[in-house]
Amino acid sequence: AQSVTQLDSQVPVFEEAPVELRCNYSSSVSVYLFWYVQYPNQGLQLLLKYLSGSTLVKGINGFEAEFNKSQTSFHLRKPSVHISDTAEYFCAVTLAAGNKLTFGGGTRVLVKP
Amino acid sequence: ETGVTQSPTHLIKTRGQQVTLRCSSQSGHNTVSWYQQALGQGPQFIFQYYREEENGRGNFPPRFSGLQFPNYSSELNVNALELDDSALYLCASSGGGGGETQYFGPGTRLLVL
Repeated sequence: AQSVTQLDSQVPVFEEAPVELRCNYSSSVSVYLFWYVQYPNQGLQLLLKYLSGSTLVKGINGFEAEFNKSQTSFHLRKPSVHISDTAEYFCAVTLAAGNKLTFGGGTRVLVKP
Repeated sequence: ETGVTQSPTHLIKTRGQQVTLRCSSQSGHNTVSWYQQALGQGPQFIFQYYREEENGRGNFPPRFSGLQFPNYSSELNVNALELDDSALYLCASSGGGGGETQYFGPGTRLLVL
């Protein structure tokens, strides 16, 4: 069975500073990887996904993530955050297209002015 | 194109009661997955329906049951509610050309007293 670990439960960051959210997964087979964002009292919005091909994936709102197969990681980055990026971010993995997603515990990002 | 919708948005029940949550999938999607998100945690997979048949189930007891209709909308039923069932219930749809990606609705927040 696959699992996902998000290494930081909370990340405080100043506005316009860079941020990196760490995600590691375990699986003995190939996976698809996703990052979702959840704003307060809302559902999940897809930020980006890795299915195959280039290991650097660009998503919405200036976010990008890099898939590292040898380190089984899929870290999310943004070079300059805004107050509006304050939210909870979830890394997720699935073994096959459309199958169940396994989520990490989430990382809460608090952007300070 | 309409996204995933869920109803109701909020619900309060008492222990032992039964509840039905509803989800309308995104246009063109034939697969619906349900997740439970307890406060401060990542979503946990409950089950998935594909073309009206259950297509995978997570570690939830049989009192969690579901249904998918010919128009691919879906219901989640929970019998004999327990206090620990208090959570945000998320529905996600997938299928069509981008079948590997699940798109989430806003969720139904259930409080069991």
